[in-house]
Amino acid sequence: GAVVSQHPSWVICKSGTSVKIECRSLDFQATTMFWYRQFPKQSLMLMATSNEGSKATYEQGVEKDKFLINHASLTLSTLTVTSAHPEDSSFYICSATSGNSNQPQHFGDGTRLSIL
Amino acid sequence: GDSVTQMEGPVTLSEEAFLTINCTYTATGYPSLFWYVQYPGEGLQLLLKATKADDKGSNKGFEATYRKETTSFHLEKGSVQVSDSAVYFCALMDSSYKLIFGSGTRLLVRP
Repeated sequence: GAVVSQHPSWVICKSGTSVKIECRSLDFQATTMFWYRQFPKQSLMLMATSNEGSKATYEQGVEKDKFLINHASLTLSTLTVTSAHPEDSSFYICSATSGNSNQPQHFGDGTRLSIL
Repeated sequence: GDSVTQMEGPVTLSEEAFLTINCTYTATGYPSLFWYVQYPGEGLQLLLKATKADDKGSNKGFEATYRKETTSFHLEKGSVQVSDSAVYFCALMDSSYKLIFGSGTRLLVRP
């Protein structure tokens, strides 16, 4: 089945640093990728939608200057958390789809981000 | 707007018991419906899906039927195993291909 690889799986860093998370579709062309944030024991909150070659569309309340998203190719999207602070600590999950309404989203394994 | 409501957990069952996790939705039109499963510390895995009314999605002994008349997509399994312990998310895909998730239901299966 379709595979989405997310890297790194776990990162710990100091407050004020920037962290980049990669999301790759390994065996299909992902015209659309999504970035989610999940707090402990809660559901997934959509942060933004990115289409290859265009600017990401952010959900209401998500700071686009804080969470930079790049979708430069059909197989790679990146999320950069800039100047991270402890409140940015969370589980970040990406998903990818070929864009057809009958095609489901395929999820990465997530990245646990801990800001000290 | 579109939304998904699923039963709160945790649901605790003994091995080989029958499982039902209720899911209802509110949406314009007829969205595709999904069940995803999340094991501890991992991302989501697609469990099953249905794209139109009366479709039945099935996988690994789990099944769910798209009921337009009751706007429901309840997840069922006849005999659960300890390895089924996880969090289950019901979701619909809206017209812009965004997934709208329910709150998740934690299942704990005891030996």
